Amino acid sequence: QSALTQPASVSGSPGQSITISCTGTNSDVGGYNLVSWYQHHPGKAPRVMIYEGSKRPSGVSNRFSGSKSGNTASLTISGLQAEDEAEYYCCSYAGSSTYVFGTGTKVTVL
Amino acid sequence: EVQLVESGGGLVQPGGSLRLSCEDSGSTFIRYGMNWVRQAPGKGLEWVSGISSSGGSTYYADSVKGRLTISRDNSKNTLYLQMNSLRAEDTAVYYCARVGGLVAGAFEYWGQGTLVTVSS
Repeated sequence: QSALTQPASVSGSPGQSITISCTGTNSDVGGYNLVSWYQHHPGKAPRVMIYEGSKRPSGVSNRFSGSKSGNTASLTISGLQAEDEAEYYCCSYAGSSTYVFGTGTKVTVL
Repeated sequence: EVQLVESGGGLVQPGGSLRLSCEDSGSTFIRYGMNWVRQAPGKGLEWVSGISSSGGSTYYADSVKGRLTISRDNSKNTLYLQMNSLRAEDTAVYYCARVGGLVAGAFEYWGQGTLVTVSS
C-alpha cells in the first residue's frame, strides 16, 4: 500500500495548460480503470474532479481532463485560472475494496 | 442532498481511545459503501478504512489494522470509527467519504473532517 507518486509542485500562468502525473504499479493504477482525481483547498473537503480515469462528474469544468497509460495516470488542467490553485491528489482502487492516494501536487497559478 | 457531518475528534493521550462518528442527513446512506480518509498535518490524503453498504464487510489500511474498527448503523444513518491504541502518527483530520453513486470507484461526497490529536 505505498502511496502513488506525484510531483510535489506544478505551476503555470493564467490561461496555460499544466499536467500532473500519478505513477503507481500493476496492482493499482495499471490494474484497474478506477483512477480518480481530487482538488483540495485548505480547510475544505476534497472534491472529485475526475473518476474512472477520464470521466468528469456533473458540475466539473471541461478544463479538467484525465488519461492513463500503463501504470501512470495524468490530470491536465487547461486554461489555468486563479481558482485552480489548490492541492491535487490522484487515487486508485487497489483491489479488495482498498484504495491508495497519491502523494499530492501543489498547483500554483503564477 | 447528501451531507456528511463528522464528530468525535479531540485530544487524546498515546495509547488512548476515541470514537468518531459521521452522520448522513440524506436518505440514501444504506445504499452505499463508506470510507474514512485522513490527512496528517503537512501530509497527503491517506485511505484508512472502508465498509460495505450492509456493514458485513470491512477493509483496512495496513497502518491501522488491528487498532481501528469501522462500523455503521444504517438505522441511524451513521458511520463510526473506533480508534484504540492510538499513536502520535494517528494525529490527523479524519474525513468520512461515500464511494460510488454517480462516480464509480471514487469518493463522491465528503464530510468537512474532524481533527484527532494524539499527544501527551
